[in-house]
Amino acid sequence: EDKVVQSPLSLVVHEGDTVTLNCSYEVTNFRSLLWYKQEKKAPTFLFMLTSSGIEKKSGRLSSILDKKELFSILNITATQTGDSAIYLCAVGFGGSNYKLTFGKGTLLTVNP
Amino acid sequence: EPEVTQTPSHQVTQMGQEVILRCVPISNHLYFYWYRQILGQKVEFLVSFYNNEISEKSEIFDDQFSVERPDGSNFTLKIRSTKLEDSAMYFCASSLAGGGDSYEQYFGPGTRLTVT
Repeated sequence: EDKVVQSPLSLVVHEGDTVTLNCSYEVTNFRSLLWYKQEKKAPTFLFMLTSSGIEKKSGRLSSILDKKELFSILNITATQTGDSAIYLCAVGFGGSNYKLTFGKGTLLTVNP
Repeated sequence: EPEVTQTPSHQVTQMGQEVILRCVPISNHLYFYWYRQILGQKVEFLVSFYNNEISEKSEIFDDQFSVERPDGSNFTLKIRSTKLEDSAMYFCASSLAGGGDSYEQYFGPGTRLTVT
C-alpha cells in the first residue's frame, strides 16, 4: 500500500509553460515533506515543508503543503529544458524523524 | 558547497562476494543514511545511523547488511554475500539533525552495484 503517491507519473511540456506536480500522502504522525530533483543520479534537495499554508520559494520553483488535505504541490513557472528531471516527493513520519518514504516520482520533460 | 561523496561510482561483483560501499558525509552532519533504488523503482530506505549506532532499519536491511563509521569521516555499507537482487543504485545521505529545521537529507551521487 503506497503511502506517498505522486501525480502525474510523467509530463511533457514546452519551454515557458508552467507545471504543477502533486504529492499526496497517507501516514500516521506526519513530520515533514521533502521535494527532490533527480537528474542523472543523486536526488538534489529542493524544499522541506513542515507547516501548512506556508509557501517555500526558490527562483521559479515554489511549493506548499496542506496538512488537512494531506498533499503538497510543486510549481515550476517559465519552464526551461534544464528543468527536465524526475521530481521526487518524500515524507518523514512515525516515531522517528530519521527515514524518508519516497513516492515513485514525476518524470518531467521540457521540450524546446 | 559541501557535498556528500561516494566511492566507487560503479561496482561489479559476483554473487556471493562481499562488497563495501563508501561514503563521506557532509562534515558537520550528525545523521547518516543509506537508501537504494532498484532500476525503475522507488528510492527505498535501508538504514539510519547516529551516535555510532543504528537508529532505524528497514526490513530490507537483514543480517547480510552492516554499516560502520570507521573513522571521523567515512560511513560504509557492507553487503556480506551479495545476491542478484542486490543490484541497485545505493545512495548515502546525511543531515545535520534528526528533526526540526535542519532535518533535510542531502544525497550523494550513488554507487551503482551490479551483481552477476
